[in-house]
Amino acid sequence: QVHLVQSGAEVKKPGASVKVSCKASGYTFSNYFIHWVRQAPGQGLEWMAMIGPGDGTTSYAQKFQGRVTMTSDTSPSTVYMELSSLTSEDRAVYYCARMGYGGAMDVWGQGTTVTVSS
Amino acid sequence: QSALTQPPSASGSPGQSVTISCTGTSSDVGGWNYVSWHQQHPGKAPKLIIYEVSKRPSGVPDRFSGSKSGNTASLTVSGLQAEDEADYYCTSYAGSNTYVFGTGTKVTVL
Repeated sequence: QVHLVQSGAEVKKPGASVKVSCKASGYTFSNYFIHWVRQAPGQGLEWMAMIGPGDGTTSYAQKFQGRVTMTSDTSPSTVYMELSSLTSEDRAVYYCARMGYGGAMDVWGQGTTVTVSS
Repeated sequence: QSALTQPPSASGSPGQSVTISCTGTSSDVGGWNYVSWHQQHPGKAPKLIIYEVSKRPSGVPDRFSGSKSGNTASLTVSGLQAEDEADYYCTSYAGSNTYVFGTGTKVTVL
């Protein structure tokens, strides 16, 4: 069964960075891109970026260019997303999701809550 | 990239149908057949219910259907059930390996 398991909740100070992990299981890790999506409290979903674990190909939403760094580790099958220069606007639940047919996000992680507070 | 436009809310009685629109541009919705829809219950991760405009993943009831005309995609939920009460988001490929979500629609079952 395909699963994506994310790291636990984080509390960070403004200006700091946060690194969220997403561990995949149940499929060939290198064959599928991973999306990163966030959702601020009471708000909608926002696409941030994606990474191809097989060759490290990355793509970013313009808004996050320069502030998001993604990496992958084939052993274990884990993708990491680091967001730098945090502000209160970055307080959100961060999700990873596998890219399936047509780019659709077919399997989602459980989400990681990031709180930014001084 | 601007978010795709969805109505904030939609509602229907059990057994009725509700249709949600998702309006973008020729650079996203209108330019590609890569529109998907997600259902999200409060406090839960989103769940894929439609991909490539009108295809349903295994296990998704055929009460859910998708279509597209020009720059607008639509999701129809037929035979509304209580468990369909949730937030629904469209997503589209927007070119250059980027994606964009819709603003989201809260569906209420009356």
